[in-house]
Amino acid sequence: DAGITQSPRYKITETGRQVTLMCHQTWSHSYMFWYRQDLGHGLRLIYYSAAADITDKGEVPDGYVVSRSKTENFPLTLESATRSQTSVYFCASSDSGEQYFGPGTRLTVT
Amino acid sequence: GEDVEQSLFLSVREGDSSVINCTYTDSSSTYLYWYKQEPGAGLQLLTYIFSNMDMKQDQRLTVLLNKKDKHLSLRIADTQTGDSAIYFCAEFDNFNKFYFGSGTKLNVKP
Repeated sequence: DAGITQSPRYKITETGRQVTLMCHQTWSHSYMFWYRQDLGHGLRLIYYSAAADITDKGEVPDGYVVSRSKTENFPLTLESATRSQTSVYFCASSDSGEQYFGPGTRLTVT
Repeated sequence: GEDVEQSLFLSVREGDSSVINCTYTDSSSTYLYWYKQEPGAGLQLLTYIFSNMDMKQDQRLTVLLNKKDKHLSLRIADTQTGDSAIYFCAEFDNFNKFYFGSGTKLNVKP
């Protein structure tokens, strides 16, 4: 039972490049979420999805794009990475109010 | 978004009880959660409480909810060095969104 996985776990990229962070869950949970974690800010919601083909903005969506063509996958794309997007990114899924997190992706934008 | 506040640090001695506090603003919260994050890891769901409950006990963990004051606490009995981590309070609202506090770093001294 893999649960929820993220890839890559670590990524270094340059300013202006496009980067996609992958998230996969095996529970068939309806809801999936992307957060970023920065010192002093806790977790901030970037985007979330209530089901396949349904996505909505969270607190800090600018500069990010998501898609959800299949229930189990929820990729997050940084269209043109900026240094301010250096962060740890967590994907989560939930059903019936319990939310479970992936191990995170540490992204550095140089 | 909703406001979830926590104190940043707590230091206790091994064997003592720890109490981590959280306040929130959304009176329509349906669930309130406590998560634990160890260094370099994702968030682990510790326990949660329905908003119509006052207390929930789960082994060494006791959650107290004061709905009138919008105050949530997590008590860890017989705190161990392995309990050292960051603890996040979170609320789940009627719009299927989670809001997290900034986290309380618990340091357990031997």
